[in-house]
Amino acid sequence: EVQLVQSGAEVKKPGESLKISCKGSGYSFTSYWIGWVRQMPGKGLEWMGIIYPGDSDTRYSPSFQGQVTISADKSISTAYLQWSSLKASDTAMYYCARLLVGAILDYWGQGTLVTVSS
Amino acid sequence: QSALTQPPSASGSPGQSVTISCTGTSSDVGGYNYVSWYQQHPGKAPKLMIYEVSKRPSGVPDRFSGSKSGNTASLTVSGLQAEDEADYYCSSYAGSNNLDVVFGGGTKLTVL
Repeated sequence: EVQLVQSGAEVKKPGESLKISCKGSGYSFTSYWIGWVRQMPGKGLEWMGIIYPGDSDTRYSPSFQGQVTISADKSISTAYLQWSSLKASDTAMYYCARLLVGAILDYWGQGTLVTVSS
Repeated sequence: QSALTQPPSASGSPGQSVTISCTGTSSDVGGYNYVSWYQQHPGKAPKLMIYEVSKRPSGVPDRFSGSKSGNTASLTVSGLQAEDEADYYCSSYAGSNNLDVVFGGGTKLTVL
C-alpha cells in the first residue's frame, strides 16, 4: 500500500527555521516525483515545487523560488520542505503528494500544519 | 501561471446531478488531456477523483465523471449523496519543462 506520512504539527516564531518531512512507503520512492502543496487557512491549493528523489532534481514554482528549499534523502525514503526564516504568512497546511506524468497527484500525505506566531 | 477558474460554490439535492466547471487557457486545460479533480473534506487531505480528464482511479464511484471542451473542463457528480459535500479542486498540467501543476481556486459543493 502506497503511503506518504508527514511529520507532526509545528508552532514556530517569526525568524525561526523549520524542516518538515514526508516519508514514502509501499512503492519505489526513487522512481516518482514528490510535490509539495500549500493550503493557507480557508484558502485553496497552491503548487510549490517538486523533487525527484532518485537524483534530487528539484523544480520550484516561481512563487516559491527562494522562499523554501525542497530536498530528499533517498536512503530513508523521505522528502523535506524547509524554511530558513519563517514569516507569519507561512502559516498554512503543507501537503506532500506523489506526482505522476500528466500532473496527477495520486497519493497525498496527511498534511503538516505550520503555525508561525510571535 | 494563473490559477484555473472555478465557481466558488455549487449545490444540489440528494439524488440530483451537479456539474462544476474549470476554465483555463490553451496553455493548460485546452492544450493537454491532463486535467485532474480532487475532493477535499474538511480537515482532510485532498483525494484524487478524476485524472486525464475523465478517468477514475480504482475505488472512486462511477457517479463521478469528467469531461472537457476547449479550455473548460467539467466534473459531474450524479446521484448526489450527503458524503459528496466537500471542496473540489481541478488541476491541469501547465505544459512546461518544470512539470508545473496549476490548480483551480476550488468549489464548495453543498448537498441540500
